[in-house]
Amino acid sequence: GNSVTQMEGPVTLSEEAFLTINCTYTATGYPSLFWYVQYPGEGLQLLLKATKADDKGSNKGFEATYRKETTSFHLEKGSVQVSDSAVYFCALSRNTGKLIFGQGTTLQVKP
Amino acid sequence: DTAVSQTPKYLVTQMGNDKSIKCEQNLGHDTMYWYKQDSKKFLKIMFSYNNKELIINETVPNRFSPKSPDKAHLNLHINSLELGDSAVYFCASSPQRDTQETQYFGPGTRLLVL
Repeated sequence: GNSVTQMEGPVTLSEEAFLTINCTYTATGYPSLFWYVQYPGEGLQLLLKATKADDKGSNKGFEATYRKETTSFHLEKGSVQVSDSAVYFCALSRNTGKLIFGQGTTLQVKP
Repeated sequence: DTAVSQTPKYLVTQMGNDKSIKCEQNLGHDTMYWYKQDSKKFLKIMFSYNNKELIINETVPNRFSPKSPDKAHLNLHINSLELGDSAVYFCASSPQRDTQETQYFGPGTRLLVL
């Protein structure tokens, strides 16, 4: 079946450090891939997405590239800020309408 | 001009009670969803409606009954609440069914069953 696996958290970084959150997926066919972010006490917001192999999604300094050969969609940011502290969810969607989420990775950025 | 809204934001109730959560979207989308986020932050789909028709019904106890009076609204009624129902419930919407399009989420309803 379809599934998403993310790296275990929490991830703790100092401000301006480089961020990578690993995400790999298992799916039949060609899913769309998403990163959602959940700030403390809030709902989920779409951060970025990619719909086909080799697409790069980007937003607010975050990037992720859809790698079909490694079934990965790792999230990266060159310089994190305290305001990036949140829970990050990798997700996939096939033509069923269901979003399949990873378990979420908590990011804490310290000044 | 909130896109997907939910009420209430917080709900604290006793075991055995019946409660409802309401969701409305003003995006003109055809499809709406309910997701449950457990205490470990794991998110799982519960239901989906397309233009008032139930199209996804995951393995959810039948104490949970969704209702969609029109395509802009999707409510969730829970009978005989149990401690294990404590979670955050998110409503979401997307333009069409059975696609890989982005889903837009509401702010969540934090349910605590005592």
